[in-house]
Amino acid sequence: ETGVTQTPRHLVMGMTNKKSLKCEQHLGHNAMYWYKQSAKKPLELMFVYNFKEQTENNSVPSRFSPECPNSSHLFLHLHTLQPEDSALYLCASSQEAAGGAGTDTQYFGPGTRLTVL
Amino acid sequence: GEDVEQSLFLSVREGDSSVINCTYTDSSSTYLYWYKQEPGAGLQLLTYIFSNMDMKQDQRLTVLLNKKDKHLSLRIADTQTGDSAIYFCAESMDQGGKLIFGQGTELSVKP
Repeated sequence: ETGVTQTPRHLVMGMTNKKSLKCEQHLGHNAMYWYKQSAKKPLELMFVYNFKEQTENNSVPSRFSPECPNSSHLFLHLHTLQPEDSALYLCASSQEAAGGAGTDTQYFGPGTRLTVL
Repeated sequence: GEDVEQSLFLSVREGDSSVINCTYTDSSSTYLYWYKQEPGAGLQLLTYIFSNMDMKQDQRLTVLLNKKDKHLSLRIADTQTGDSAIYFCAESMDQGGKLIFGQGTELSVKP
């Protein structure tokens, strides 16, 4: 247990559905991250929130919409997805983002396996 | 540019040592990390090393950093079948929390 939980663990959705992924961290951290992990590709950073402010959007299509209501919770809202969006979506948290001195050491949740039909 | 390279596969016998290698390109890296990912799971932080260190040991794990050659390695002593997983190295440059990950090395431990 890393102190970062994600729900649901598995999600199957059609291209016209709207769904949300949830991440919660119990580590008292101030930064949270969304990553996409596709087969045979390196992890892709999608979004970074630091003290509830979005500090990074790595050219992610608008069909992915993040929300960070407080430092402990992070959501990823999904709509009109494509089959190529099928992947493992990983959430991570760190003490801060770019605080230096190792405060951006990231702890990951177990991921949500998303399948888009 | 930023790039982290790892070999894709490594196979060892139970009880042997495993050495997983990683090269990176950005000399401004501040911290370098090793993560482990078991099937169907997220990434588990194994260990990390600050860029001004050469070596760090933590039980069966030894991390070696050659900053001149931009080479990082993870040695697992007395490898067990439970060590079978994908191992990712990552570098941090204190830039907005960005970590640059390698593609991962799949370690297979044969009994």
